[in-house]
Amino acid sequence: DTGVSQNPRHKITKRGQNVTFRCDPISEHNRLYWYRQTLGQGPEFLTYFQNEAQLEKSRLLSDRFSAERPKGSFSTLEIQRTEQGDSAMYLCASSLVTATGELFFGEGSRLTVL
Amino acid sequence: AQRVTQPEKLLSVFKGAPVELKCNYSYSGSPELFWYVQYSRQRLQLLLRHISRESIKGFTADLNKGETSFHLKKPFAQEEDSAMYYCALFSGGYQKVTFGTGTKLQVIP
Repeated sequence: DTGVSQNPRHKITKRGQNVTFRCDPISEHNRLYWYRQTLGQGPEFLTYFQNEAQLEKSRLLSDRFSAERPKGSFSTLEIQRTEQGDSAMYLCASSLVTATGELFFGEGSRLTVL
Repeated sequence: AQRVTQPEKLLSVFKGAPVELKCNYSYSGSPELFWYVQYSRQRLQLLLRHISRESIKGFTADLNKGETSFHLKKPFAQEEDSAMYYCALFSGGYQKVTFGTGTKLQVIP
């Protein structure tokens, strides 16, 4: 297992387009988190799953953002009608429910909205 | 709501000098605190957690509930310590990890 993987690593899109990011967690990890990071800021929590259930979603997350983890394995994060303010690094992390707080991060997917 | 504050965006020290990266938190429950590190061109990774009370790469951190602090310390900085350091809080009630804004540690040779 090579750890958490994310793709694409980089995405450039035009404002108004939809984008989707994929995250493959460490196989035995039942928790999966999505974070967003902008320049000069720490990772900002977006949402998390325990197995296939989405248990919490940030109030800062607009309705244009949706995440799924259909079979409790990989997850997707979709942003509809992208805006320039969505430009950021999107980080995925996974953990065991018995080791809460110990997150294993992917390398991130960088989104640039023109 | 929980919050993590790292007051310094940049900390520059000379090699061999002591290092202290500051972290303060606010949380009404019983917190679990962590330090994460991101070296250049690498992914964010866990450095240490307060409940293990261990020293990793010479770094230690003590949870001070009275001062709501979890400062990261190392007695003698090495060039390879140069990186971004993030303090993080796991809140059992919300079941999520909240990160500070990070401190860039620059060790000058």
